Amino acid sequence: DTAVSQTPKYLVTQMGNDKSIKCEQNLGHDTMYWYKQDSKKFLKIMFSYNNKELIINETVPNRFSPKSPDKAHLNLHINSLELGDSAVYFCASSQGPFRAGGYQETQYFGPGTRLLVL
Amino acid sequence: SQELEQSPQSLIVQEGKNLTINCTSSKTLYGLYWYKQKYGEGLIFLMMLQKGGEEKSHEKITAKLDEKKQQSSLHITASQPSHAGIYLCGADPTAQMNRDDKIIFGKGTRLHILP
Repeated sequence: DTAVSQTPKYLVTQMGNDKSIKCEQNLGHDTMYWYKQDSKKFLKIMFSYNNKELIINETVPNRFSPKSPDKAHLNLHINSLELGDSAVYFCASSQGPFRAGGYQETQYFGPGTRLLVL
Repeated sequence: SQELEQSPQSLIVQEGKNLTINCTSSKTLYGLYWYKQKYGEGLIFLMMLQKGGEEKSHEKITAKLDEKKQQSSLHITASQPSHAGIYLCGADPTAQMNRDDKIIFGKGTRLHILP
């Protein structure tokens, strides 16, 4: 029944490692997102894919790379992890993408992945 | 586990009218956050409430957390077209409100403003 799922829910790893966080949605949505939650609980958008095409790519280090094998999945791969990457990462999906001045689709959030880099 | 229910799911109001969106929790709210979806920017942080009875305002938007800390309301006065969008409430899952705790989200309320 889970609409948007993320794995793992918790990830503890050493600096310098490469890790991936997976996201899957079973809502039939076309658009998926990755957000980073900061210490003040602000959520900053990182990437958005619509039908496997990258449509939002905010300023994030090149070490972060999204991969969308199909429109139900958007994985986040992080190379050479740094201490500052420790955060909660949320995946979300919506029926359609952001459109300037247009109809906005509600985003459904996954449970989040807490990443701790030691 | 804690669940947040937002009501209404969708709201249509005439420009200039006041409106209220509610966020009700199945458990005590320790930290309650209001966000708005914004094109190109994802979720915009609006306000955070923590204490029972607390009320905060920003421009024409006022958010309150009830004394029992199980419900929050977002009130918009004299609504404008710029207020249209999707509002989400989020909550800290524990009283510790650790910086790395994952926020729990409501399902969102879609607000339409008619000219």
